[in-house]
Order: sequence, then C-alpha cells, then structure tokens
Amino acid sequence: QKEVEQDPGPLSVPEGAIVSLNCTYSNSAFQYFMWYRQYSRKGPELLMYTYSSGNKEDGRFTAQVDKSSKYISLFIRDSQPSDSATYLCAMSGGGYQKVTFGTGTKLQVIP
Amino acid sequence: EPEVTQTPSHQVTQMGQEVILRCVPISNHLYFYWYRQILGQKVEFLVSFYNNEISEKSEIFDDQFSVERPDGSNFTLKIRSTKLEDSAMYFCASSEAHEQYFGPGTRLTVT
Repeated sequence: QKEVEQDPGPLSVPEGAIVSLNCTYSNSAFQYFMWYRQYSRKGPELLMYTYSSGNKEDGRFTAQVDKSSKYISLFIRDSQPSDSATYLCAMSGGGYQKVTFGTGTKLQVIP
Repeated sequence: EPEVTQTPSHQVTQMGQEVILRCVPISNHLYFYWYRQILGQKVEFLVSFYNNEISEKSEIFDDQFSVERPDGSNFTLKIRSTKLEDSAMYFCASSEAHEQYFGPGTRLTVT
C-alpha cells in the first residue's frame, strides 16, 4: 500500500463549480496535512495547512482532515479558470520532518 | 512577501560532471530541505538540514549528493558525478515552523 494515495485525474469542471479533491494515507504518524498547488514546471505553492483532524477555511478553500479514516479533502468553491493547476496533498509527522507528497490531481476549470 | 529563490532555473550538464544547485531560503527560517521531482512523478524528499548538519536523508541521497550552507544566506546541493537518472526538477524548501515553503525549482538535464 502506498503511503499517500491521490487520484491523478485529470478532473475537468465548469467555472463556478465546487471542486472536491481527496487523498488517503496509511501512516498513522502523520499529524500535519497540507495542500499545495503546482503549475506546470513550477514549485509547489502552499495553499492550506492543518494540524490533526478538523476543518480549516481560507476564502474559497476548505481543508478537511479525518484521521480516523486517514482521509483528507480540499474543497474549492466558485472555481475559477485560474484555479487550473495540479493540486498536491502532502503530510508530515511534524517536528520539521520531511513532507510526503501524493502524486497530485490535475484540475482544469473550463470558462 | 518573502520567498525562496533558486538558481539557476535550468542547468544542462553531461553525465559524470559535478553540478551545484543554489538556494536562498527565507531569511528567518532555520530548517532547509531539498526535494526532487522526476517528470510526471511525485515530489520526493532528499534531505533536511538544520544547525549546519543533516537532520534526515532519504535513500535517494547517497554519497553522490552533499549539502552545504556556505554562508548566512545560501544553501546548496551538490551532485558529484551526475547520472542520466538525476534529470529532474530540484526544489529547495525552508521552514520556520511546520509549514514548508518551496522555491521555483532548478530543472536539471543530464545528457
């Protein structure tokens, strides 16, 4: 079983749609959960950061973590064409430890 | 907004040559990292660095790789004798707390 699993997509949605992106993981030691956005041949850009279980909202973005199910989600409301990118889930045990990434989901928002 | 910078943006080298990839982390950050991403694959951890020594390294980070903080601002990754399979995007990251911020990457092409 892979440590972090993420559907690679591609996921294509119309502008204004709600987007749901998900990851599952197997390592119970993960405590910190992140979502990064990556444009083609660019560096990952930190979008959301959550500690342990719960929800966190930032503008149009909501991150959810369910540690009991080892499942994390990112919701994007009112999606825009500029949201078109690859979204990487990532997690770590904390304490400045390495970040383990999913493979990324490629999202396309069609005008 | 402070950001991680990396130079060069693209490096082409011949197999067997040494390369040095350079990074300037965010100025008040104390933890530094290198990751790599082979085209079409996920971002993979290479090494973390704190207080002038390696904190953690992956199995990818063998004797051909080394890291250094030669002065108060730069953080470098050296590959002593490059192989074709070292061709990838190399990302530097830094952190102050648990969130890691990534640079734009150096695309290394080994011919």
